[in-house]
Amino acid sequence: LAKTTQPISMDSYEGQEVNITCSHNNIATNDYITWYQQFPSQGPRFIIQGYKTKVTNEVASLFIPADRKSSTLSLPRVSLSDTAVYYCLVGDREKAGTALIFGKGTTLSVSS
Amino acid sequence: DSGVTQTPKHLITATGQRVTLRCSPRSGDLSVYWYQQSLDQGLQFLIHYYNGEERAKGNILERFSAQQFPDLHSELNLSSLELGDSALYFCASSGTGYNSPLHFGNGTRLTVT
Repeated sequence: LAKTTQPISMDSYEGQEVNITCSHNNIATNDYITWYQQFPSQGPRFIIQGYKTKVTNEVASLFIPADRKSSTLSLPRVSLSDTAVYYCLVGDREKAGTALIFGKGTTLSVSS
Repeated sequence: DSGVTQTPKHLITATGQRVTLRCSPRSGDLSVYWYQQSLDQGLQFLIHYYNGEERAKGNILERFSAQQFPDLHSELNLSSLELGDSALYFCASSGTGYNSPLHFGNGTRLTVT
């Protein structure tokens, strides 16, 4: 399973765009990249998933370069409520025996 | 609301005891995953079941066991509890679409005294 590396923490102000990058140098051909958000004492919540290029939904964008060795979660115009831990998860859920292992995540702190 | 239900929400028990945590996946989801999250720690993968069969196992202690029943709900059994087992235990389910994302419940907070 591809190991992921993310910054431990990031700080931002309300209204700014935040980009969190995840490195996954040994990503496998069939691996997908998925980002989750977790608030204290709550279960992680799915944000966005992609395989290559760019994916956008109503809350975020995910940029994946051609070599797929990294990915960037982009949160436009963050608010205080975006303060949370963000996890990058890389894996092929369809592969038998795959353990979906989360890294330590990035703690995003948004201030006013 | 993720559609994944975990019971109980809170559990307080003593060392040496045994507890059972229950998870009901989203309707139609065949996969169930269990994770442990200790205070200020990341999510530790425990085990994955798909349609009643074990698919993957993480660093799950021998004192811990799990199963998924024909109705697809899952139970995580923790025995000979130690203080260090105090943690949030999350269950997640995923759908049948290719590489469908995980949907997590709100967890069971276990406190071992």
